[in-house]
Amino acid sequence: DTAVSQTPKYLVTQMGNDKSIKCEQNLGHDTMYWYKQDSKKFLKIMFSYNNKELIINETVPNRFSPKSPDKAHLNLHINSLELGDSAVYFCASSQGSWGSLSGNTIYFGEGSWLTVV
Amino acid sequence: AQSVAQPEDQVNVAEGNPLTVKCTYSVSGNPYLFWYVQYPNRGLQFLLKYITGDNLVKGSYGFEAEFNKSQTSFHLKKPSALVSDSALYFCAVRANRGSTLGRLYFGRGTQLTVWP
Repeated sequence: DTAVSQTPKYLVTQMGNDKSIKCEQNLGHDTMYWYKQDSKKFLKIMFSYNNKELIINETVPNRFSPKSPDKAHLNLHINSLELGDSAVYFCASSQGSWGSLSGNTIYFGEGSWLTVV
Repeated sequence: AQSVAQPEDQVNVAEGNPLTVKCTYSVSGNPYLFWYVQYPNRGLQFLLKYITGDNLVKGSYGFEAEFNKSQTSFHLKKPSALVSDSALYFCAVRANRGSTLGRLYFGRGTQLTVWP
């Protein structure tokens, strides 16, 4: 009964390739996120969707494009991969409409380890 | 601007001893504070949160945290550490208003090592 599941868990690819990471949550949450964890374990938000609408778009290169076909799914597509994109990407979700989000717990997936060679 | 500081990169403690992992924060308005734990090659697991009410919050696996508004701190504690508690711990703060509404800001993490 995985709450937030993302695939693949491990991904090794060459520079210049395009890849996607998929995420699904079965918690019935309205809001989903993508976070990036760098090699120093620092976590930073990339995107957030609330009911399929983009709410947060941090300073992320245009090569990163999230897509939310429905509120239970938020996929991340990365074009023209670069060495610096190597990181762990976490999908997450939380309950509630945007204005009431602050106190709600964010639940994370197990992460997708992306290595660009 | 919202921020979280975890002043210790590493905390080492003997099994059975009490442990404290420190966290201080800066946020506009009332803070919503969270602790997460990350085991090697795993995702973040929610431990506990402070939203309002009692300053002492109890969470999973015997952990608790104390909210101190005057010191802007939210230290994580456990009375008796276990070897299995060894992991990376993250403190996080969320703003309840303003342009950064909804964003969860993380500290840089504290590696807890409990030795037998």
